Amino acid sequence: GESVGLHLPTLSVQEGDNSIINCAYSNSASDYFIWYKQESGKGPQFIIDIRSNMDKRQGQRVTVLLNKTVKHLSLQIAATQPGDSAVYFCAENSGGSNYKLTFGKGTLLTVNP
Amino acid sequence: DAGVIQSPRHEVTEMGQEVTLRCKPISGHNSLFWYRQTMMRGLELLIYFNNNVPIDDSGMPEDRFSAKMPNASFSTLKIQPSEPRDSAVYFCASSPRGGGRNTEAFFGQGTRLTVV
Repeated sequence: GESVGLHLPTLSVQEGDNSIINCAYSNSASDYFIWYKQESGKGPQFIIDIRSNMDKRQGQRVTVLLNKTVKHLSLQIAATQPGDSAVYFCAENSGGSNYKLTFGKGTLLTVNP
Repeated sequence: DAGVIQSPRHEVTEMGQEVTLRCKPISGHNSLFWYRQTMMRGLELLIYFNNNVPIDDSGMPEDRFSAKMPNASFSTLKIQPSEPRDSAVYFCASSPRGGGRNTEAFFGQGTRLTVV
């Protein structure tokens, strides 16, 4: 079936640098996307969301970009800090059901001091 | 707000035993989700409740798994009998707007289940 895909990459950055985490999705019917952060031993924590009628949304130090043409989602973290070290998941809602989220496999972000 | 509360945090049990995981959602949230997380399969939705009623249990692996929500402040996920392949982290999540397009879910800390 269609799914959100991350190939479990690892991203290592220096403290203070910007980070970009990517996500490809395959379900063209998806119209709502969320980025979650999961720290070791904790549950996923909501970071930011975006609807398909937008192509960019900004939060505090984070920006999500959506390119529906190529079915690509990215999370940009500005001035990355050690506390940003975690696994980041993108999740989509396909619209077929208004509650079900399909999660990608995650990207491990490591911030080096 | 204390967030979604799950218990126990860790559970080690022998194959064949019954396991019960517990969840207290955030007060006022009308939607509750049970997810399972493994390295191989990532986060998978097991079951979704709305207003205490099971709406979608298509993710429940097999009849050994069952979930209940007797009231708005409590839910259980039971595995009977448990098997080693059930070892995973089980998350409960709740949402205030499960019936709408905004499906942001707030997750608990999870229960790490190990079946030996």
